[in-house]
Amino acid sequence: EVQLVESGGGLVQRGGSLRLSCATSGFTFSSYWMSWVRQAPGKGLEWVANIKQDGGEKSYVDSVKGRFTISRDNAKNSLYLQMNSLRAEDAAVYFCARDLGGSSAFDCWGQGTLVTVSS
Amino acid sequence: QSVLTQPPSVSEAPRQRVTISCSGSSSNIGNSAVNWYQQLPGRAPKLLIYYDDLLPSGVSDRFSGSKSGTSASLAISGLQSEDEADYYCAAWDVRLNAVVFGGGTKLTVL
Repeated sequence: EVQLVESGGGLVQRGGSLRLSCATSGFTFSSYWMSWVRQAPGKGLEWVANIKQDGGEKSYVDSVKGRFTISRDNAKNSLYLQMNSLRAEDAAVYFCARDLGGSSAFDCWGQGTLVTVSS
Repeated sequence: QSVLTQPPSVSEAPRQRVTISCSGSSSNIGNSAVNWYQQLPGRAPKLLIYYDDLLPSGVSDRFSGSKSGTSASLAISGLQSEDEADYYCAAWDVRLNAVVFGGGTKLTVL
């Protein structure tokens, strides 16, 4: 069974940092693009970043460029999101998702981890 | 303001058919595959349609997708109460070099 389990969310002060993790199992992690998608309370979905199978290609939404870094460890079947200089507008549930082809076809999702940013 | 435009809400009676539109541009829908997601309250999104019109394994064939030019549509036939959810379209935008989502459509089954 394919599983994605996020962790690392929590309460952080504005300007602070947080590192999210996504532990995966049940599939060959190194064969898939992976993405982070977030959802602010009561709002829609927003893609944050993606990373190629070997980590050699990464893309980010403009609003997080220079502040967030996506990475992966294929030996540990894990995906990460380092979030620095956090802003109030970064508060959201963060989902990790498996991407079928490096586009926007996310066929498996984790349950999400909540990030709260306080002033 | 989302890059892809969806109606905020649609409603229809049980057993009827409803369509949800998703309008974009030549840099996203006109250039990339469209994918659709269903999100039930408090749950993670679920892939409903991928690559414009393909059905993932396990998804009911009451759901179907189509695309023409810079617009796409999701159709749901034989509406059931459990179809009440938020629906999102998404595509890769070659100009932004990013995935873009629609703002979401809340489906109410009357």
